Amino acid sequence: QKEVEQNSGPLSVPEGAIASLNCTYSDRGSQSFFWYRQYSGKSPELIMFIYSNGDKEDGRFTAQLNKASQYVSLLIRDSQPSDSATYLCAVMTRWGKLQFGAGTQVVVTP
Amino acid sequence: ETGVTQTPRHLVMGMTNKKSLKCEQHLGHNAMYWYKQSAKKPLELMFVYSLEERVENNSVPSRFSPECPNSSHLFLHLHTLQPEDSALYLCASSQESDMGTSGANVLTFGAGSRLTVL
Repeated sequence: QKEVEQNSGPLSVPEGAIASLNCTYSDRGSQSFFWYRQYSGKSPELIMFIYSNGDKEDGRFTAQLNKASQYVSLLIRDSQPSDSATYLCAVMTRWGKLQFGAGTQVVVTP
Repeated sequence: ETGVTQTPRHLVMGMTNKKSLKCEQHLGHNAMYWYKQSAKKPLELMFVYSLEERVENNSVPSRFSPECPNSSHLFLHLHTLQPEDSALYLCASSQESDMGTSGANVLTFGAGSRLTVL
């Protein structure tokens, strides 16, 4: 079992719609959770992080965390072509290791 | 200069060459990292330096040799690499603090060095 799993995509989303990305993790004791965005040929950049169960909103982005079910999701509202990128989920395990998923490619179509 | 800078951005080398990747962070962070990114695979942590001391070495082959002369600079020395080592090598930095502190372990990545081994 992979430590952090994401659907590789591509996830095709019409412009203006909501993109929903999911991430599951194996270490039940994981402490903190991160979403990074990586444009093609560029380095990953942090979008947001979440520590507590529930929702955390930042602009058009909402992170949702459910520790009991061991998943974290990212919603992108009013998707724009500039949101087309690969989204990396990262999980800080109880042992202090930051584990990344392979990423979900999102394509926003005009 | 701001953020995390990496040089060179692209490197092509033969299997018998010796080269080095350089990383410099201008954020005042106390931890630096080398990651390897291959297509369709998760980022692989290679090395971690905290306060200039190596704290993690994830079973990386000895043909990769890190060096951290101070808290702002990190090198990855390469020698006798294999074609399967071709990848994007990302440097990152962070400000390490106690778990639970807001913003802890947030990585800032450099633009990466795209390595091709022939």
